[in-house]
Amino acid sequence: DIQMTQSPSTLSASVGDRVTITCRASQSISSWLAWYQQKPGKAPKLLIYEASNLESGVPSRFSGSGSGTEFTLTISSLQPDDFAAYYCQQYNSYWTFGQGTKVEIK
Amino acid sequence: QLQLQESGPGLVKPSETLSLTCTVSGGSISSSSYYWGWIRQPPGKGLEWIGTIYYSGTTYYNPSLKSRVTISVDTSKNQFSLKLSSVTAADTAVYYCARHLSSSSGRVRYFDHWGQGTLVTVSS
Repeated sequence: DIQMTQSPSTLSASVGDRVTITCRASQSISSWLAWYQQKPGKAPKLLIYEASNLESGVPSRFSGSGSGTEFTLTISSLQPDDFAAYYCQQYNSYWTFGQGTKVEIK
Repeated sequence: QLQLQESGPGLVKPSETLSLTCTVSGGSISSSSYYWGWIRQPPGKGLEWIGTIYYSGTTYYNPSLKSRVTISVDTSKNQFSLKLSSVTAADTAVYYCARHLSSSSGRVRYFDHWGQGTLVTVSS
């Protein structure tokens, strides 16, 4: 099984901050990685696929990078609507999610 | 516009079988470009993939749940279903159905559309 580990688990930030979330895979997954945003009581929303491709309609302040075992999600300038939980997910072998990162207001 | 809607009992007794159905509207479940999956999220916790099905009936299950999970598809009703047997309190979660995008090479990729989710509580 491929394990996905996100860090940090919680991140406190202010509007306008640059925010980076890291996701590590227990073995190489090439670029088969997606990022999702989830707000309380709502289903996850796809942000990034194939590690760095922005889903249609997602603001350009979101970006993804990485390959192999280490990946990052960056929000270039945090907006009020961005306070949420973020999950990475690999799809190299079956489908596994990271444990999530909660971005909260500082 | 594609919509997925979960339905089923919100309360299940321990040791019984949890049964949920996902109805797909605004698109065909029989499209060769998509697979269909179930994901769950215990209260306050992270996401766990349960299983995935293709319209032909091909299934993939999470190894940790495989012995208790059955996913089936009814193309005539544009629905797919989840059965989870011998449930315990640890199976209490919000259950989501979602659509996987499939690539031309056959790789089953990420989830691009999700249902709103339904809370299932396991309790006597």
